[in-house]
Amino acid sequence: GENVGLHLPTLSVQEGDNSIINCAYSNSASDYFIWYKQESGKGPQFIIDIRSNMDKRQGQRVTVLLNKTVKHLSLQIAATQPGDSAVYFCAEFSGYSTLTFGKGTMLLVSP
Amino acid sequence: DVKVTQSSRYLVKRTGEKVFLECVQDMDHENMFWYRQDPGLGLRLIYFSYDVKMKEKGDIPEGYSVSREKKERFSLILESASTNQTSMYLCASSWSPTTDTQYFGPGTRLTVL
Repeated sequence: GENVGLHLPTLSVQEGDNSIINCAYSNSASDYFIWYKQESGKGPQFIIDIRSNMDKRQGQRVTVLLNKTVKHLSLQIAATQPGDSAVYFCAEFSGYSTLTFGKGTMLLVSP
Repeated sequence: DVKVTQSSRYLVKRTGEKVFLECVQDMDHENMFWYRQDPGLGLRLIYFSYDVKMKEKGDIPEGYSVSREKKERFSLILESASTNQTSMYLCASSWSPTTDTQYFGPGTRLTVL
């Protein structure tokens, strides 16, 4: 939504930098995690997912890292571009077919 | 590609009106969801459905009802709209209970005056 970025932590980077967005999840029983990207005025868009039997998964320019010991998830975006500017949030699934979503981080990329 | 569509992008209604928000998905997904998204509160689940004519309450069902008469369509109903229901409403669908990536529609920005 248009105001989804209000009240969110913000990460500001320069074009070409690598970005790291972090997420702490709450349920140690969660076994599936998703990162979403939400641009202004649009619905969330799936980026990448990871299951709890992995600690790293790579996509195109994105990498997700999972640290189950400290219940931490991160999204790394390589060579960040202005089109990457959006709100990013993680979601965790703990086996009851509903996802629990984080509040999100706003990424601002300057040309 | 999965496509989830919502009937309106923007809607303005008056307090007390009955409001219908429609969502359609074209991938034969079993599960469908309705969320609202508010600044500072993130995405909150209102209702979801595992199958036709089945529904389950989410975290904030009060003031809402849902209908799933066909697999591809999930409707959210505000029986008597109130100003605190002004929000962005997002519909999502997923393939099955064991494959849980949810795909979202573009959202409906509802304003209740």
